[in-house]
Amino acid sequence: DAGVIQSPRHEVTEMGQEVTLRCKPISGHDYLFWYRQTMMRGLELLIYFNNNVPIDDSGMPEDRFSAKMPNASFSTLKIQPSEPRDSAVYFCASSYTGGKYGYTFGSGTRLTVV
Amino acid sequence: GENVEQHPSTLSVQEGDSAVIKCTYSDSASNYFPWYKQELGKGPQLIIDIRSNVGEKKDQRIAVTLNKTAKHFSLHITETQPEDSAVYFCAAPLSGTSYGKLTFGQGTILTVHP
Repeated sequence: DAGVIQSPRHEVTEMGQEVTLRCKPISGHDYLFWYRQTMMRGLELLIYFNNNVPIDDSGMPEDRFSAKMPNASFSTLKIQPSEPRDSAVYFCASSYTGGKYGYTFGSGTRLTVV
Repeated sequence: GENVEQHPSTLSVQEGDSAVIKCTYSDSASNYFPWYKQELGKGPQLIIDIRSNVGEKKDQRIAVTLNKTAKHFSLHITETQPEDSAVYFCAAPLSGTSYGKLTFGQGTILTVHP
């Protein structure tokens, strides 16, 4: 099992540009989570899906952020337009039955907005 | 919602010593308490978890204890080794979500000196 796969590993973009982060969860997992990690705020849950349906997006900071899960094997997190304060490491995690056996995290995407 | 407080924020020990990290939570309904280890440049990895029907769980050099009355749980690492150096996070589920939608502590940077 290749685990949760995120791409790209690193992204540097200019303020105002659109950024798309990608995630492939573990096959058979029915929950997918997007987290953001910063020194100041730690690990923050942005949004999560159950069976490809968004369940709670209350953590999405503002309308510039959007997430989709068109099928069980792919999800995207989009920021448009990006701002320097969006610089962080973004993690995708997947789980079976909502985390009863824990989450499996990807290696993350380090986003830098200049 | 759930509030998880983690202490200490940094912990430095000598190889072979024990390390203890403590977390408190606010939601008395929480029933699942995982611990994650995050190495540099990687995503958090589940290392041990405990459910509310037990008070202690061990896995080789790692153990977790739970005190539901006091609403705190702790991670114990014995015979520490340099490879134990990492950031450790505790977590607990937000109210009403059982095992999903975890709230994470702020993290403890553990350094094991050879």
